[in-house]
Amino acid sequence: AQSVTQPDIHITVSEGASLELRCNYSYGATPYLFWYVQSPGQGLQLLLKYFSGDTLVQGIKGFEAEFKRSQSSFNLRKPSVHWSDAAEYFCAVGAILTGGGNKLTFGTGTQLKVEL
Amino acid sequence: DAGITQSPRHKVTETGTPVTLRCHQTENHRYMYWYRQDPGHGLRLIHYSYGVKDTDKGEVSDGYSVSRSKTEDFLLTLESATSSQTSVYFCAISEASGTYEQYFGPGTRLTVT
Repeated sequence: AQSVTQPDIHITVSEGASLELRCNYSYGATPYLFWYVQSPGQGLQLLLKYFSGDTLVQGIKGFEAEFKRSQSSFNLRKPSVHWSDAAEYFCAVGAILTGGGNKLTFGTGTQLKVEL
Repeated sequence: DAGITQSPRHKVTETGTPVTLRCHQTENHRYMYWYRQDPGHGLRLIHYSYGVKDTDKGEVSDGYSVSRSKTEDFLLTLESATSSQTSVYFCAISEASGTYEQYFGPGTRLTVT
């Protein structure tokens, strides 16, 4: 069964500083990997995804993530954080379901606080 | 944003009462999902649908049932609500091809007293 670990529950960074959120996954085959962001009281918004090809993927809002198969990691990065990036971030791994579709297994999330 | 609405957005109910949550999409996507979100657990899949009248269980399906009579609507029913079902419930949709990325609705906050 697949699993996702986000080792950092809370992270605080200063506005303008760089950011890296860690994600480690466990999955037997080539994984579908996703990062989502959730603002308070809102649903989840897809930031970026990886399935194959270039291991460095670009997403929305200036985020990128790098897939490292040898480390089973898919860390999210941003070179310069803005106050509006304060939110909770979820990493997820997907597995194809019987009948199609894609079951997402989520990590427990990392809460990002941005200091002005 | 994907056209997904959930109703109601907030609900307080008593233990033992039936509750139905509705998810409605305007994207004509084939796959629909129900998740619950609880602190320390992330999101967990309750049930999903791969077409009209085609549904299957997820990892936390006990105490829940679903129905999908139309492409656009996916209903989640708690037959007899319990306090352990107090949670935030999210509906998601995905297309029938590609990487199946999922798009989420705004959520329903359910409190069972």
